[in-house]
Amino acid sequence: GEDVEQSLFLSVREGDSSVINCTYTDSSSTYLYWYKQEPGAGLQLLTYIFSNMDMKQDQRLTVLLNKKDKHLSLRIADTQTGDSAIYFCAENRGYQKVTFGTGTKLQVIP
Amino acid sequence: EAGVTQSPTHLIKTRGQQATLRCSPISGHTSVYWYQQALGLGLQFLLWYDEGEERNRGNFPPRFSGRQFPNYSSELNVNALELEDSALYLCASSPSGTDTQYFGPGTRLTVL
Repeated sequence: GEDVEQSLFLSVREGDSSVINCTYTDSSSTYLYWYKQEPGAGLQLLTYIFSNMDMKQDQRLTVLLNKKDKHLSLRIADTQTGDSAIYFCAENRGYQKVTFGTGTKLQVIP
Repeated sequence: EAGVTQSPTHLIKTRGQQATLRCSPISGHTSVYWYQQALGLGLQFLLWYDEGEERNRGNFPPRFSGRQFPNYSSELNVNALELEDSALYLCASSPSGTDTQYFGPGTRLTVL
């Protein structure tokens, strides 16, 4: 299908790891992105991964890419209350056609 | 380095009116994108401008239009406003030849 799919909601305890999953649609997508949106704000680019990579780590963030299954995940280590937000994955299908998932709302419980 | 800026922050209109939303990209970025984010929904691609030209358009009616100026800033115009146009309108920019988009804070449009 055309949709980039994410689960709608995730709740974790402060200090635990969070894993947000995404299934994308186009095996030829070149870049895959994770964005964070805090309430009432725009989207903040967190990280991105090239399609020829399996993993990318950036401080507390780890992105895993499984091209065979078209599955992308974002792991946040030591989740903090400030990580509470909506997280969007997005795929770049080329020619500036970036398709966003529906977003996963992460709730961090103190 | 200043990020993408959008104005106004909030805009309240009534049905049938026209709305104009503005976006200034990051300095050096030539592409500007517009998205609509309705409450509870994801981002829907509206328009892409690059070097002053409309390059791509999402599945929106013609009353959604825009333009890009020589300084690469952009306007989004929505004519004949309908209640369902109420949404957060996000602008993003990217450098020429790259696809990674950087977003502004958005304009919240409310149609009464």
